[in-house]
Amino acid sequence: EIVLTQSPATLSLSPGERATLSCRASQSVSHYLAWYQHKPGQAPRLLIYDASYRAPGVPDRFSGSGSGTDFTLTISSLEPEDFAVYYCQQRNHWPPFTFGPGTKVDIK
Amino acid sequence: EVQLVESGGDFVQPGGSLRLSCAVSGFTVTTYAMNWVRQAPGKGLEWVSGISGHGDPTFYADSVKGRFTISRDISKNTLYLQMNSLRREDTAIYYCAKTFQGVAVSGGYFDNWGQGTRVTVSS
Repeated sequence: EIVLTQSPATLSLSPGERATLSCRASQSVSHYLAWYQHKPGQAPRLLIYDASYRAPGVPDRFSGSGSGTDFTLTISSLEPEDFAVYYCQQRNHWPPFTFGPGTKVDIK
Repeated sequence: EVQLVESGGDFVQPGGSLRLSCAVSGFTVTTYAMNWVRQAPGKGLEWVSGISGHGDPTFYADSVKGRFTISRDISKNTLYLQMNSLRREDTAIYYCAKTFQGVAVSGGYFDNWGQGTRVTVSS
């Protein structure tokens, strides 16, 4: 099973700042990695798939990069609605599809 | 508009059974693979099971294999998760989720999710 680790666990930033979130896989997942945003009481939202492609309707302040074992989600300028938990997820080695433990982006 | 609405979550004793439902609108369950993903209290997301848009094959996480069964009813456009021999560690919010692209479970990303239904396993 592929283990995904995310860092940092919590990121405290102010609106307008840049957020950089990291996801590392225990072995190569090629480019088969997605990022999700999850707010309390809401359904998770697909942001990025195949490491760098924005899902339909996702603002261009969200971008993804990386391949192999190291991936990054960048939010170029945080909006108030971006404060949430972000998960990475791989689909290269399955079952099971695995998620990282999440990075919480909260307001500084 | 795509909508996924889960139901069936409840409080159940260890060893008990529950059947979760996910009513789908906005597309037919034959055109995309469907999945169940759960989130235990204070924990992250865990993929539980997936079913092809063709109805077969089906896939399970090792933690639920042999205890849970995923299925769907085409006439009702509804996804199900039959959960037997429930354990305390099955306590979670259960989400149904549509595979982003295509009928194969291998598509592996989830672009539409329901709001979840809560399952609590406790004596």
